[in-house]
Amino acid sequence: AQKITQTQPGMFVQEKEAVTLDCTYDTSDQSYGLFWYKQPSSGEMIFLIYQGSYDEQNATEGRYSLNFQKARKSANLVISASQLGDSAMYFCAMRDTGFQKLVFGTGTRLLVSP
Amino acid sequence: DGGITQSPKYLFRKEGQNVTLSCEQNLNHDAMYWYRQDPGQGLRLIYYSQIVNDFQKGDIAEGYSVSREKKESFPLTVTSAQKNPTAFYLCASSIKGASYEQYFGPGTRLTVT
Repeated sequence: AQKITQTQPGMFVQEKEAVTLDCTYDTSDQSYGLFWYKQPSSGEMIFLIYQGSYDEQNATEGRYSLNFQKARKSANLVISASQLGDSAMYFCAMRDTGFQKLVFGTGTRLLVSP
Repeated sequence: DGGITQSPKYLFRKEGQNVTLSCEQNLNHDAMYWYRQDPGQGLRLIYYSQIVNDFQKGDIAEGYSVSREKKESFPLTVTSAQKNPTAFYLCASSIKGASYEQYFGPGTRLTVT
């Protein structure tokens, strides 16, 4: 069975600094996708970034980058130059090619201070 | 604008009553999903549908039912058999395929007393 582990319940960072949110995963499949979502206090889930298991380069989307280490089964999210609006819950998720569902971790609450 | 709508945002029901949560999308996506979120936890899959008139149980389907009569709509009924229905419910849709992200609606917060 697939599993996502996020070990940091909460993280604090000062505005303009970089922060890394940890995510490790477990799967026996060779082909899978990894996703990060942001959930602000309003509740909706906002897609941030995607990494495919066969992608050789780490994914980047603006200030977001995914540090993908396949051998270690980790897919950490790096947010550069944090902004106050980045304060939210962040969820790591995984989906394989056999199923359409996403498996989510328990999330990390990020608080950005001025 | 394309997107997913869920209504209402907040819903209150008495214990023992069935309640239906609405989910509509105009993204022309084939696949639709229902998730449940409890405080301090991630999302758990209730049901999903990859095509009209077909749906599959997720990890926590007991006490819930769905229908998919139209591509755009995937309503979720929380029945009286669901032992702990108070939660935040999120609907999502996606293009079929593992590399495509799921788009989420704004969610419905259900409180049953």
